[in-house]
Order: sequence, then structure tokens, then C-alpha cells
Amino acid sequence: AQSVTQLGSHVSVSEGALVLLRCNYSSSVPPYLFWYVQYPNQGLQLLLKYTTGATLVKGINGFEAEFKKSETSFHLTKPSAHMSDAAEYFCAVSDLEGGGTSYGKLTFGQGTILTVHP
Amino acid sequence: EPEVTQTPSHQVTQMGQEVILRCVPISNHLYFYWYRQILGQKVEFLVSFYNNEISEKSEIFDDQFSVERPDGSNFTLKIRSTKLEDSAMYFCAIGGNSPLHFGNGTRLTVT
Repeated sequence: AQSVTQLGSHVSVSEGALVLLRCNYSSSVPPYLFWYVQYPNQGLQLLLKYTTGATLVKGINGFEAEFKKSETSFHLTKPSAHMSDAAEYFCAVSDLEGGGTSYGKLTFGQGTILTVHP
Repeated sequence: EPEVTQTPSHQVTQMGQEVILRCVPISNHLYFYWYRQILGQKVEFLVSFYNNEISEKSEIFDDQFSVERPDGSNFTLKIRSTKLEDSAMYFCAIGGNSPLHFGNGTRLTVT
């Protein structure tokens, strides 16, 4: 069974500083990995995904993440934080063993709330 | 415009009552999912639905829960007799061989 651990339930950065949100996973098969963002009173919006191929993936709003198999990690970064980045971020891994709808059976981490200070 | 619209956005109900949460995709989809997020906890998978059948369900999805597509477009989650612990945010999602797109959720409060 898959699992996801996000280190740090709260991360606080200054505007313009580097954003680093950590995610480690466990999976018995090569994983599909995702980062979602949730703004207050909204649903989960896909930031980026890793399936196969290039291990550094770029997403929306200047975010990127690197899949490191040896470290079982998929950390999310952004070079310069904006106030609008304040939200909760979720890392998730897809259950691929079953195929079909299992692509959409995600196991989520507990989320990291990002606060951006002026 | 969101790909998935959920109604209602908020639902307050008394313990033991039945509730129906609705999900309307903007276009035809075959794969549907329900997830929930209890306040302060992880987002959890409830059930996946493909070709008008449940394809997978979690331990949470017990006999009190059911899903259906009554008219081929709406996708509903029914809780027959709500419990206090059913209070959560419920998310509908569409997907398949692509990343999930989530609706904005329905906040269910059971009193």
C-alpha cells in the first residue's frame, strides 16, 4: 500500500524567499506523484504531476518538483514566494496496481499550510 | 469555469437524517470519485465509479454510503443515516487516465 509523508504541517516564508515543501512517499510500484493546492473555501487544484520521463517537472504558478527515486522524495519548490501562494499544499501518490480507475485512487499526505509574510 | 460543480456548498443535517451530495461534470466523463476530508485530517479516498458501477471502495464506504448516476450526468453520494463523524468536506473528482479534477466540495455538518 502507498503512503505519503509531508514533513512540516506549517511552513512560513517571507515574500521573495525560496519555498520548499517536502514530500516522501512509499510505493511498491513506480509511482505517479502529484502536488495539489487548496485555497480557502476551494477545491483541490492540480499544481503538477510526475508520471514517467523527466524527473524535474514544472507546474503552474512557477512551482516545480523533482522526483528522486533513491530518496523516495518529491519535494515542491518555488524560487520566489508571492503572497498569493499562501494556501495548503498536498502531495499525493496514485495507486497504479489495479489499473483503470486506480489511477485516480490517490493517497494524500496530511498537507502543509504555507504562510507568506510581507 | 470549474470542470466539476458540487451542490450544495454547505449542508447542515441532524444525526440520523439522509443526505444527498451532488456532482455535475461540465462534460461527459466515465470515471468519478468521492473523497472526504475531516477537519484537520488527510483527504481520504471513499469510492471510485466507472461505467455506472462501483469499481473500488475504501473501508470508510460502508453500507450507509451509496453512489449513483441517476440521469447519466449527475453523480451523487448518499449517506442514509448520518452520524456525527460524517461531518467533513466531501469532494467529487473526475479523471481516469489523467490527473483528477476536483470540485470545490460540499461541507457537511451533522448536528
